[in-house]
Amino acid sequence: AQSVAQPEDQVNVAEGNPLTVKCTYSVSGNPYLFWYVQYPNRGLQFLLKYITGDNLVKGSYGFEAEFNKSQTSFHLKKPSALVSDSALYFCAVRDMKTGANNLFFGTGTRLTVIP
Amino acid sequence: DAGVTQSPTHLIKTRGQQVTLRCSPKSGHDTVSWYQQALGQGPQFIFQYYEEEERQRGNFPDRFSGHQFPNYSSELNVNALLLGDSALYLCASSLVGPYGYTFGSGTRLTVV
Repeated sequence: AQSVAQPEDQVNVAEGNPLTVKCTYSVSGNPYLFWYVQYPNRGLQFLLKYITGDNLVKGSYGFEAEFNKSQTSFHLKKPSALVSDSALYFCAVRDMKTGANNLFFGTGTRLTVIP
Repeated sequence: DAGVTQSPTHLIKTRGQQVTLRCSPKSGHDTVSWYQQALGQGPQFIFQYYEEEERQRGNFPDRFSGHQFPNYSSELNVNALLLGDSALYLCASSLVGPYGYTFGSGTRLTVV
């Protein structure tokens, strides 16, 4: 069965410092991995995805994520955090072995960037 | 270019009533998925429609049903509403294949 774990409910970081939001996954086949961001009372905005190829994926707003197959991780990173990055972040996986076309989401990590 | 449009944005229903939520996919997308996001939780997959048929379904009871129209727009229907159905309902559209998903802003349903 597919699953996604976001071990930290809350991450606090000072403005200008690097940030990391952690994600690990479990699938039976090869994963498609996604990061989405959610602002209050809004839907999900796509940040980046990993399908295949280079393990380091660059996305929107300066975010990037590194796919690590041996550790089954897909951590979200940004070199220098902005106050406007404060939001709820979701990691999601799609299991290509099952052929299912739906996403399994983690429970989310709330990022707070402190001015 | 319009993204995914959902209506209404908010609504309040009484326990036992029925509700219909609507979704227009992003232009060019042919697949619509519905997710339920309870407060403090990640989105949970309800079902997916492609070519006007339900293709996949998550772990939701039959009270949850849907429809896709020839123009790819979709409806989510929930019968016999329970207090626990209160949530943000998200619609996502995509193309069949290894592509990403575009989400709408959601419909906030409150059951009282």
